[in-house]
Amino acid sequence: EADIYQTPRYLVIGTGKKITLECSQTMGHDKMYWYQQDPGMELHLIHYSYGVNSTEKGDLSSESTVSRIRTEHFPLTLESARPSHTSQYLCASSGTGPKSQRTQYFGPGTRLLVL
Amino acid sequence: KNQVEQSPQSLIILEGKNCTLQCNYTVSPFSNLRWYKQDTGRGPVSLTIMTFSENTKSNGRYTATLDADTKQSSLHITASQLSDSASYICVVNDRGSTLGRLYFGRGTQLTVWP
Repeated sequence: EADIYQTPRYLVIGTGKKITLECSQTMGHDKMYWYQQDPGMELHLIHYSYGVNSTEKGDLSSESTVSRIRTEHFPLTLESARPSHTSQYLCASSGTGPKSQRTQYFGPGTRLLVL
Repeated sequence: KNQVEQSPQSLIILEGKNCTLQCNYTVSPFSNLRWYKQDTGRGPVSLTIMTFSENTKSNGRYTATLDADTKQSSLHITASQLSDSASYICVVNDRGSTLGRLYFGRGTQLTVWP
């Protein structure tokens, strides 16, 4: 069982609101990731981090921002939510070791609905 | 274009039956291939991981195969149970970057009926 947590699990919010999706892991992993997943579609990487004070944009353009002030914490923020942001957001982390063995462990996800 | 294609898109089987899910990929250079199980409303959970030199890996009733020459993988589920109902995602890792980028398939939605 992976020790990676996301809150809230579900969020319904109005257009224009600022929201922060929380993600934390207790495995001491250096790498963390945010994915966006629409129903029936593949996961798309939107942000990742190699470690503290390191953040990079992923493959899918996103209006969200992330920060990595502590190893265990990787929050994602939307300054002004829009209906197009409605999706499931999955946080993941991975550790060190041979690249072939760096399994990504996923959190339970946050389902976001913007009205 | 998605570099990982899975089939079938969805599958319904009766409890106790076996099934095989397919994954074809074009990702290159190849590092490893993973199968994940994703229950509805949950995050994916890793089932197996195979590198270039491995062609079979088992995890309980799940057996994954890999043919790196034809760039195909399969996930065989034996004696299915109701709890096997989930989306099964094939994920290929390239070795062309420090991050080791992951390419995700869209998944096969498996439903097991009693």
